[in-house]
Amino acid sequence: DAGVIQSPRHEVTEMGQEVTLRCKPISGHNSLFWYRQTMMRGLELLIYFNNNVPIDDSGMPEDRFSAKMPNASFSTLKIQPSEPRDSAVYFCASSFRTSSTDTQYFGPGTRLTVL
Amino acid sequence: ELKVEQNPLFLSMQEGKNYTIYCNYSTTSDRLYWYRQDPGKSLESLFVLLSNGAVKQEGRLMASLDTKARLSTLHITAAVHDLSATYFCAVDISNQGGKLIFGQGTELSVKP
Repeated sequence: DAGVIQSPRHEVTEMGQEVTLRCKPISGHNSLFWYRQTMMRGLELLIYFNNNVPIDDSGMPEDRFSAKMPNASFSTLKIQPSEPRDSAVYFCASSFRTSSTDTQYFGPGTRLTVL
Repeated sequence: ELKVEQNPLFLSMQEGKNYTIYCNYSTTSDRLYWYRQDPGKSLESLFVLLSNGAVKQEGRLMASLDTKARLSTLHITAAVHDLSATYFCAVDISNQGGKLIFGQGTELSVKP
């Protein structure tokens, strides 16, 4: 299994530009999560989906952030317009949610730098 | 306020020694996770603890959960350098829905 795939791995952009991060979950998994990691705030859950449906987006910091999951094998996290404080590592994770176990498997992350 | 607090945040150990990392949380939950993160890398799942009294062991690491005390521990036995990493606990606050709140992480350094 290839694991969770994220692209790009690194992104450097200028303030005000649109940024799109992509995620392919593990095949067969039915839940997908987007996290952000910074030194100041640690690991934060931004949004998660079950069966392609957004369940909780209370962690999305502002309206500048949006996420979609058009099908079971693809999700995007978009920031428009980007700001320097959005600089962070963004992780996507997926799981197969059952009553007994739902370990989240993390992708390699996208390191975003907004200048 | 929901809190997941780890103690200590930094831990420097000598090889061969034992130590315990503590994870306290402020809300009811019966599902707790431990992850490992190497510098510049992603998170790797170590343990899933699903009920009160659950204990799991893998190699030199053993994790336990006391849901009544809202406490989980990660015990390290006879530490080796390869265990150097940051360890996170995370609590499911959504009744098994998958919404995890992570602790701050414990940065472990094992020295010869």
